Amino acid sequence: DTGVSQDPRHKITKRGQNVTFRCDPISEHNRLYWYRQTLGQGPEFLTYFQNEAQLEKSRLLSDRFSAERPKGSFSTLEIQRTEQGDSAMYLCASSRGDRGHSPLHFGNGTRLTVT
Amino acid sequence: RKEVEQDPGPFNVPEGATVAFNCTYSNSASQSFFWYRQDCRKEPKLLMSVYSSGNEDGRFTAQLNRASQYISLLIRDSKLSDSATYLCVVTLNTGGFKTIFGAGTRLFVKA
Repeated sequence: DTGVSQDPRHKITKRGQNVTFRCDPISEHNRLYWYRQTLGQGPEFLTYFQNEAQLEKSRLLSDRFSAERPKGSFSTLEIQRTEQGDSAMYLCASSRGDRGHSPLHFGNGTRLTVT
Repeated sequence: RKEVEQDPGPFNVPEGATVAFNCTYSNSASQSFFWYRQDCRKEPKLLMSVYSSGNEDGRFTAQLNRASQYISLLIRDSKLSDSATYLCVVTLNTGGFKTIFGAGTRLFVKA
């Protein structure tokens, strides 16, 4: 299966700890997105990469959130000093970026629980 | 105001019914429009793109009104398997392709 892969599937952490999630996009996709989703809501945009360049970052993100895509392939999302409000499903998606919009292919997500 | 707003639902309909979902977007520079489907505890998947001239895919019809900044999805002859959350999606060309999802409308189709 060469779909979008996210790791870990589940993460339970104590408030104040740092966590890092990884996303491996579909290999030929040069666009990569991070979203956060809570129960009953749609995916909330966090950030977006075109190759290794981070082109957009939501104003909703505090300085505790950072994302990287150093070689334009896999990406990491780090949350520092986690808070209970960070508990959510974190979704990664990738798409082809030759022109315009192409469909987003999502991974299975990483479910974060902050206790 | 949210960038993409949808009917909150849920919609409860019998099999065979026709159901319509509405969506509005706030940014007039929005470039591309889509409907995604999300099953319970699954990731969203593309259902169909939405074109200005309107488009149809089997039992599904999508329409776009740029002047009113309004998007719709019509499902005819509903099936039990159509039960899911339907997400209205808009892409902004802001130098990149920021893709914004609505909160979704939950559909329950009952026998």
